[in-house]
Amino acid sequence: DIQMTQSPSSLSASVGDRVTITCRASQSISTYLNWYQQKPGKAPNLLIHAASSLQSGVPSRFSGSGSGTDFTLTISSLQPEDFVSYYCQQSHSAPWTFGQGTKVEIK
Amino acid sequence: EVQVVESGGNLVQPGGSLRLSCVASGFIFSNNWMSWVRQAPGKGLEWVANIRRDGNEIYYVDSVKGRFTISRDNAKNSLYLQMNSLRAEDAAVYYCARVVEPSDYHYYMDVWGKGTTVTVSS
Repeated sequence: DIQMTQSPSSLSASVGDRVTITCRASQSISTYLNWYQQKPGKAPNLLIHAASSLQSGVPSRFSGSGSGTDFTLTISSLQPEDFVSYYCQQSHSAPWTFGQGTKVEIK
Repeated sequence: EVQVVESGGNLVQPGGSLRLSCVASGFIFSNNWMSWVRQAPGKGLEWVANIRRDGNEIYYVDSVKGRFTISRDNAKNSLYLQMNSLRAEDAAVYYCARVVEPSDYHYYMDVWGKGTTVTVSS
């Protein structure tokens, strides 16, 4: 199985900050990497697919990059509604696996 | 509106069984792979199972193999998860999700339900 490791597990930041979350795969997954945002008590929401493709309706402050084993999710200017949790997920091969999540907190 | 709605979550004793359902609307259900994803209380997301458009290709996470069965009824726009021999560690919110299958096979889950809660306890 492909293991997905996110870092950091949590971070503190302020409104307007630029934030980067990293996801590393245990083997090469090309660009079969998706990012989801989850608000407390809510279902996940797709942000980025295929490592760098912004899902329709998602604000342009979100961006993704990477290929192979190393990927990043960047939020260019944190907004109040962005202080929630984020997960990466690989769809290269079954079983699909998620990272453990990153919680973005207000500093 | 494109949506999926789960139901069937409940309190069940260890060793018991439960069947979850997910009804889709607003899209052609038979055109999409579908997934179940779960989230234990206070924990991260865990993919559980996938089923192909026609139901003839299925994948599971190892921890549920032999106990859970994913199925679908395209005539009813419905996805199911039959859960047997339930364990305490199966307690979670279970989400149904639509899978998009682009031409380059970079699958992703783009429509999620609100989830249904399974509690396993005596």
